[in-house]
Amino acid sequence: AQSVTQLGSHVSVSEGALVLLRCNYSSSVPPYLFWYVQYPNQGLQLLLKYTTGATLVKGINGFEAEFKKSETSFHLTKPSAHMSDAAEYFCAVSPTGGFKTIFGAGTRLFVKA
Amino acid sequence: NAGVTQTPKFQVLKTGQSMTLQCAQDMNHEYMSWYRQDPGMGLRLIHYSVGAGITDQGEVPNGYNVSRSTTEDFPLRLLSAAPSQTSVYFCASSQGTSSYEQYFGPGTRLTVT
Repeated sequence: AQSVTQLGSHVSVSEGALVLLRCNYSSSVPPYLFWYVQYPNQGLQLLLKYTTGATLVKGINGFEAEFKKSETSFHLTKPSAHMSDAAEYFCAVSPTGGFKTIFGAGTRLFVKA
Repeated sequence: NAGVTQTPKFQVLKTGQSMTLQCAQDMNHEYMSWYRQDPGMGLRLIHYSVGAGITDQGEVPNGYNVSRSTTEDFPLRLLSAAPSQTSVYFCASSQGTSSYEQYFGPGTRLTVT
C-alpha cells in the first residue's frame, strides 16, 4: 500500500530564507507525485506535480520539487520565502494507472517578518 | 467557469440527523471525489466516482453515501450524523486518472453536536 510522510507538522522560516518542506513516500513502483497548497479557509490548489520525465519540477509562485527515486523523496523548496507563502502544504501520491490519491498529513509553513 | 462549488459552507447538525452536502462542477470532469480533512491527518478519501452512475468507496466510507446521476453533480449524504463526522469536507474533480491534478471546492465545515 502507498503512504506519504511529511516531516514536520510546522515549519517556521524568516522572510527571504530558504523554504524546505520534506516529503517521503512508500510505493512498490514510482507513483505520480503532487504538492498542493491550502490557504486559510480555502480548498487545495496544485503547486506542482511529477509524472514522468525531468525529475526537477517547477511550479507556481517560485516553488520547485525534485523527485529522487533512490531516496523515495519529493521535497519542496523555494529559495526565498515571502509572507504570502504562509499556508499549509500537502504532499500527495497517486498510483500509476489508478485513481485514489493519498495525502500526507500536511505541513504548516509560518513566515516571520 | 465557476469550477467546483460546494454548499453549504457551514452546517451544524445534531447527532442522528441526516443531511446532504452538495457538490457541482462545470468543467465536464469525469472523476469526482469527496474528502474529509481533520487536523494532523491530511485529507482522507471518502467516496469517489469515475463517471455518471459509477461510484466506489475510499478510505473512510462508513456513515456516508454517494450517487452520481449526472456528470456535474456528486452529492454526499450523511445518513445519521455522529460527532466523529465533525470535519471539513472537500469535493474535488479531475479530468482523468491519477496523473491529472484535482480541482477542489472551497469546503463545507460540518459540526455535529
